[in-house]
Amino acid sequence: NAGVTQTPKFQVLKTGQSMTLQCAQDMNHNSMYWYRQDPGMGLRLIYYSASEGTTDKGEVPNGYNVSRLNKREFSLRLESAAPSQTSVYFCASSTGTSFSPLHFGNGTRLTVT
Amino acid sequence: GIQVEQSPPDLILQEGANSTLRCNFSDSVNNLQWFHQNPWGQLINLFYIPSGTKQNGRLSATTVATERYSLLYISSSQTTDSGVYFCAVERPGGSYIPTFGRGTSLIVHP
Repeated sequence: NAGVTQTPKFQVLKTGQSMTLQCAQDMNHNSMYWYRQDPGMGLRLIYYSASEGTTDKGEVPNGYNVSRLNKREFSLRLESAAPSQTSVYFCASSTGTSFSPLHFGNGTRLTVT
Repeated sequence: GIQVEQSPPDLILQEGANSTLRCNFSDSVNNLQWFHQNPWGQLINLFYIPSGTKQNGRLSATTVATERYSLLYISSSQTTDSGVYFCAVERPGGSYIPTFGRGTSLIVHP
């Protein structure tokens, strides 16, 4: 049972380069989320998708775009990477209803030089 | 938005000691979850606990929703308990979006 799978695990980019972080879940969950984790800041929500076909901004959406490709997959794109986007990125999913625990992927460590 | 404060920010224990971690939140919540992030960075859901008390082995959690706080108890701590503990809350209103606190970093020495 894979749960939530993120790729890649590590990535180094130069300023201005673009990349897409991939996330897939096999739990038939409706809701998916992208968080970033920075030292001392906890996890901050970038974007979320309450259901297939919908996406909404979270607390820190600037510099990112997302695509909910289908019910399983939710990707995060950095169009022009900046050093401030150096972080660990986590994808998560849940059923999207009350009483629903959040399940996380193992994270992507991104460094922008 | 809702504010989530965790205390203490850092905690160092000897193996076998007990500890209590606290999560305060500024508004009514529908849901509260506790997570453990291990030293490899993996985030594991420990408890879903919007109210009341739950126990799982050496860990237990209590949420007093009317007073807007939750406590995570770790008894007889082990080195494998090291890591960062986060609480996350969801506000009422239909959008099931967890908001996280900044975490408590726990180090358990052998």
